Amino acid sequence: ETGVTQSPTHLIKTRGQQVTLRCSSQSGHNTVSWYQQALGQGPQFIFQYYREEENGRGNFPPRFSGLQFPNYSSELNVNALELDDSALYLCASSIGQGYHEQYFGPGTRLTVT
Amino acid sequence: GENVEQHPSTLSVQEGDSAVIKCTYSDSASNYFPWYKQELGKRPQLIIDIRSNVGEKKDQRIAVTLNKTAKHFSLHITETQPEDSAVYFCAASKRITGNQFYFGTGTSLTVIP
Repeated sequence: ETGVTQSPTHLIKTRGQQVTLRCSSQSGHNTVSWYQQALGQGPQFIFQYYREEENGRGNFPPRFSGLQFPNYSSELNVNALELDDSALYLCASSIGQGYHEQYFGPGTRLTVT
Repeated sequence: GENVEQHPSTLSVQEGDSAVIKCTYSDSASNYFPWYKQELGKRPQLIIDIRSNVGEKKDQRIAVTLNKTAKHFSLHITETQPEDSAVYFCAASKRITGNQFYFGTGTSLTVIP
């Protein structure tokens, strides 16, 4: 198993609420990427943080936002939750910007009712 | 942005037979192609990857081939075993954008004992 951890493991929220998901990267990794994986689908790239700066964003609306902290851990915030936001949210950490493997965390299962 | 298509969506093979999964990508600038295996309820795990300056790479029973001209790459698993049963995802990324992965929709492989 990788050293990437995520919290919480499961979360149930109501439409319109806000949620914060957390990711602790593997030791020595300064890059964190966030993905949304709907049931039966491949992970979809949300955004990436490199040394505390956003370094690219996928096709997700601005209500999806994030942060990376000096210790390279990261948060994903989603405002105004919609039913379609129900998914497994995965973070992955890696070393820098080269051809480096991304190590995935176990994910947070978000259910929006 | 990048668009990755993956086929087939499901694949059943007899134990000992070979399995082939194919992916195509749209962005000719993509230069790194990892394959991930995801078992039910678990995080994606890298099984093999290939860079654009290489046409083929092999690791024991697993091989990946890349055709840059046609913009497609394939995963080959030989002598399949029941423990190979899982969902397999291909992905494409560009180093210049920090290896932000764009995943295919996944192939559910079942190896029948």
